[in-house]
Amino acid sequence: NAGVMQNPRHLVRRRGQEARLRCSPMKGHSHVYWYRQLPEEGLKFMVYLQKENIIDESGMPKERFSAEFPKEGPSILRIQQVVRGDSAAYFCASSPQGQQNTEAFFGQGTRLTVV
Amino acid sequence: AQSVSQHNHHVILSEAASLELGCNYSYGGTVNLFWYVQYPGQHLQLLLKYFSGDPLVKGIKGFEAEFIKSKFSFNLRKPSVQWSDTAEYFCAVNAVDSSYKLIFGSGTRLLVRP
Repeated sequence: NAGVMQNPRHLVRRRGQEARLRCSPMKGHSHVYWYRQLPEEGLKFMVYLQKENIIDESGMPKERFSAEFPKEGPSILRIQQVVRGDSAAYFCASSPQGQQNTEAFFGQGTRLTVV
Repeated sequence: AQSVSQHNHHVILSEAASLELGCNYSYGGTVNLFWYVQYPGQHLQLLLKYFSGDPLVKGIKGFEAEFIKSKFSFNLRKPSVQWSDTAEYFCAVNAVDSSYKLIFGSGTRLLVRP
């Protein structure tokens, strides 16, 4: 059973470009969470999705950031018109159900560098 | 608002030394508690978790943690560290009544010298 798969592992974008980060949850998991880790900081919750639904996006910046988890295929975190401050590690986690008394399994992360 | 504090940002130990990493949280309700480890270049792995029951929790690789409710603490311990324990350690909390969000501490980088 493969773990949570994120790609790419490293992504370099110039200011103003778009970044697309992909996350395939573990088999059988229908709940996906995205977290961002800025340098020297802990992970910060961004968004929680179930298939075709955004449950909580309270941690997402209001502009330029969006997330989806379609019926088929991976979850996508999309950052439009990237700026230097978007440089961070973005982690995806999945769980078989809402994370109440269950653990979430994390991917290896995507390290975004904006130049 | 919930928050998690990890007091030590960097810890350096020699092999066979004992380890204790502090973690305190602020939240008045019932919580689930976690310690994650991130080895260099790898994903976050769960070391141990506390949901209910015995407040002394044993995890993988000889780690344990004790939940002290009165102190809002969940400190991680290991009696004798190894070089392979070099990693970053994160304490995390989620409130049972808001379930899914994990609130992470800022992490502790542990370097174990051979």
